[in-house]
Amino acid sequence: NAGVTQTPKFRVLKTGQSMTLLCAQDMNHEYMYWYRQDPGMGLRLIHYSVGEGTTAKGEVPDGYNVSRLKKQNFLLGLESAAPSQTSVYFCASRLAGGHPYNEQFFGPGTRLTVL
Amino acid sequence: KQEVTQIPAALSVPEGENLVLNCSFTDSAIYNLQWFRQDPGKGLTSLLLIQSSQREQTSGRLNASLDKSSGRSTLYIAASQPGDSATYLCAVSPKTSYDKVIFGPGTSLSVIP
Repeated sequence: NAGVTQTPKFRVLKTGQSMTLLCAQDMNHEYMYWYRQDPGMGLRLIHYSVGEGTTAKGEVPDGYNVSRLKKQNFLLGLESAAPSQTSVYFCASRLAGGHPYNEQFFGPGTRLTVL
Repeated sequence: KQEVTQIPAALSVPEGENLVLNCSFTDSAIYNLQWFRQDPGKGLTSLLLIQSSQREQTSGRLNASLDKSSGRSTLYIAASQPGDSATYLCAVSPKTSYDKVIFGPGTSLSVIP
């Protein structure tokens, strides 16, 4: 099993450009998450999904959109990148919510710089 | 609202020492608590998951305990090694909003050879 994978690993954008980050998991997990991590800010939840075709906002959703067309994939889009979106982006997944056996698994991250 | 804190924010110890990292949470209604390790520039790696009905979990030199009533968990690392240097984060799965996971800010550990 590959676990949780993310593409690309690194990306540099100019202000106003758009891009899509792809997260894929092969564990048949229902729940998937996008976080950003910035120095001194910890992990902050951007958007998440509790199943194919569903999405929900986290604590910092502005400037991002997501889609979960297939259960194994969760896409994070930036329509018009801003320097404030320079960050490391992590995708995570877990089987579901609401029971004690859920272990959350993380991808290796995407380092995004917006100039 | 569930909040998770970790003390200390940073810790430096000599190699070979046993150490304890602390995690506190404000609402005891949780499904589980998970400890992660993050190396610089890398993703989070799951170390241990303690279910709400359990008191502790062990993996090698790591032992994590959970006291739900007091809202505390500790991660004990025995005979620390320089390779243990990393940031350690704890996270809870709250019953009031089970679709999310709430993370602490982490403890940065340096083990000095």
